[in-house]
Amino acid sequence: GQSLEQPSEVTAVEGAIVQINCTYQTSGFYGLSWYQQHDGGAPTFLSYNALDGLEETGRFSSFLSRSDSYGYLLLQELQMKDSASYFCAVRVLGATNKLIFGTGTLLAVQP
Amino acid sequence: GAGVSQSPSNKVTEKGKDVELRCDPISGHTALYWYRQSLGQGLEFLIYFQGNSAPDKSGLPSDRFSAERTGGSVSTLTIQRTQQEDSAVYLCASSFSSWVGGRTDTQYFGPGTRLTVL
Repeated sequence: GQSLEQPSEVTAVEGAIVQINCTYQTSGFYGLSWYQQHDGGAPTFLSYNALDGLEETGRFSSFLSRSDSYGYLLLQELQMKDSASYFCAVRVLGATNKLIFGTGTLLAVQP
Repeated sequence: GAGVSQSPSNKVTEKGKDVELRCDPISGHTALYWYRQSLGQGLEFLIYFQGNSAPDKSGLPSDRFSAERTGGSVSTLTIQRTQQEDSAVYLCASSFSSWVGGRTDTQYFGPGTRLTVL
């Protein structure tokens, strides 16, 4: 089976840097994705790591280490609008593209 | 529209009634997915469509749940004899293709249908 664990809540201040971790136990997957979901909104895609290493997209970066069964999302220059839930997700090996989501991290950005 | 749309946005029903939830994917997207999100929880996969067929129904929680897709576009998720534990937000997503190998194939989510079973 697959399970992805994330911290339930993280609090940070505007302008700071925050790291949201994702540790997983899965038999095999294509890559690790990150989604952002504002309260009451639809999840939106942020980043994807097919290979180990760091992927950078503007203020957001994502990292994957398959050997450590670990990944993280790094948010820099935090803004109030970054307050949301963040989910890691894996695409499992097989014929489908279904995503298995992590438990989610609620990020609260304070002024 | 340009994005995934779902209807209704909210649905309140009585225990034991049947409900139908609709999803209109992004035009041209061949893959369609249904997920369920309970309050404060992550997203739980329900079913996946490639075209009109459903090669993966592994997430449907019981035989009260069914889904179909017609014309390679609109999908309907039906819940029969609803129970209070069915209360959740039901999210639909679509993507351009199903097989992606090592590259990403972003799933685009709709706003969801909030189902409340009294």
